[in-house]
Amino acid sequence: EIVLTQSPATLSLSPGERATLSCRASQSLSSYLAWYQQKPGQAPRLLIYDASNRATGIPARFSGSGSGTDFTLTISSLEPEDFAVYYCQQRSTWPLTFGGGTKVEIK
Amino acid sequence: QLQLQESGPGLVKPSETLSLTCTVSGGSISSSNYYWGWIRQPPGKGLEWIGSILYSGRTYSNSSLKSRVTISVDTSKNQFSLKLSSVTAADTAVYYCARPLGVNTGGHFQHWGQGTLVTVSS
Repeated sequence: EIVLTQSPATLSLSPGERATLSCRASQSLSSYLAWYQQKPGQAPRLLIYDASNRATGIPARFSGSGSGTDFTLTISSLEPEDFAVYYCQQRSTWPLTFGGGTKVEIK
Repeated sequence: QLQLQESGPGLVKPSETLSLTCTVSGGSISSSNYYWGWIRQPPGKGLEWIGSILYSGRTYSNSSLKSRVTISVDTSKNQFSLKLSSVTAADTAVYYCARPLGVNTGGHFQHWGQGTLVTVSS
């Protein structure tokens, strides 16, 4: 099973600041990594798939990069609605696995 | 527009079987080789993939749950289902059904149901 480790667990930032979230895999994923955003009481929303592709309707301030075992989600300038929990997920190998999440909170 | 809706009991007794159904609308469950998935989230915790199924019935499931999980599909009703046996309090969670973005792969989940809270308690 591929283990995904997200860091930091919590990121305290102000609106307008840049957020950089990390996801590290226990073995190579090629580019088969996604990022999701989840707000309280809501289902996760797909932001980025296959490491760097924005899903439909996702603003350009969200970008993904990386390959192999190290991946990054960047939010270029935080909007008030971006404060949420973010998860990474791999589809390289069964079983599918999620990271433990990074909470982006208002500083 | 594709929509998924989970349904089933919100309360299950310990040692019994949790049963949920996901009804798909706005598209046919058998139109393409999507691996329709179940994911859960215990209160205040992260996401855990439970398993996925093709319309043909081929399944993959989380090894930590494998012996207790049964996932099935009913193409005539455009539904797929989850059964989790011998539940304990640790199975209390919001259960989501979802469909990935791409076919022929476990995928990244683009379409999600709203989720349903299942509590295991006597």
